[in-house]
Amino acid sequence: AQSVTQLGSHVSVSEGALVLLRCNYSSSVPPYLFWYVQYPNQGLQLLLKYTTGATLVKGINGFEAEFKKSETSFHLTKPSAHMSDAAEYFCAVMEYGNKLVFGAGTILRVKS
Amino acid sequence: EPEVTQTPSHQVTQMGQEVILRCVPISNHLYFYWYRQILGQKVEFLVSFYNNEISEKSEIFDDQFSVERPDGSNFTLKIRSTKLEDSAMYFCASSEEVGAKNIQYFGAGTRLSVL
Repeated sequence: AQSVTQLGSHVSVSEGALVLLRCNYSSSVPPYLFWYVQYPNQGLQLLLKYTTGATLVKGINGFEAEFKKSETSFHLTKPSAHMSDAAEYFCAVMEYGNKLVFGAGTILRVKS
Repeated sequence: EPEVTQTPSHQVTQMGQEVILRCVPISNHLYFYWYRQILGQKVEFLVSFYNNEISEKSEIFDDQFSVERPDGSNFTLKIRSTKLEDSAMYFCASSEEVGAKNIQYFGAGTRLSVL
């Protein structure tokens, strides 16, 4: 079965600093990979997805992620953190049958 | 922007009682899902539903659980006899397509508290 590991349950950055949220997956076949964000009292919102093609994927709110097959990674980055980025971020892989398998989530805190 | 709507936002019930969690998926979507997140744990897949049938279910989705699309807009999750361990946040999701074009849109969730 596919699985997702997110390193760091909590990440804290200063406003304007680089955001790096780590995600590694296990899969025996080329995966579909996703990052979702959850703001307090809201649902999971899709940030970006990778299926095939270009390995650097750009998403909403200035986020991007790079699929690295050799490292089985799909880390999420943003060059400059904003206070509004504070939320919980989930990496997910899609299995056959279209179900999402999620990582444990990373809570991002942005300090002023 | 279209969104998935879930009601209620918080449901409190006594152990052994039946609960129905309700979801209104995005109107042109054909594929529906339920996930749950127990406090402090990962979001877990429960079931997917298409064309009035369950497409796939996890081992969590036992005989106590059922799903239904009673009309053209609602999608429900029923738990027949709730247990303490059913306490969790339940998320409904829907998608227009499957495979590489599958983008699942999630509702805000229903927090179920079983006492």
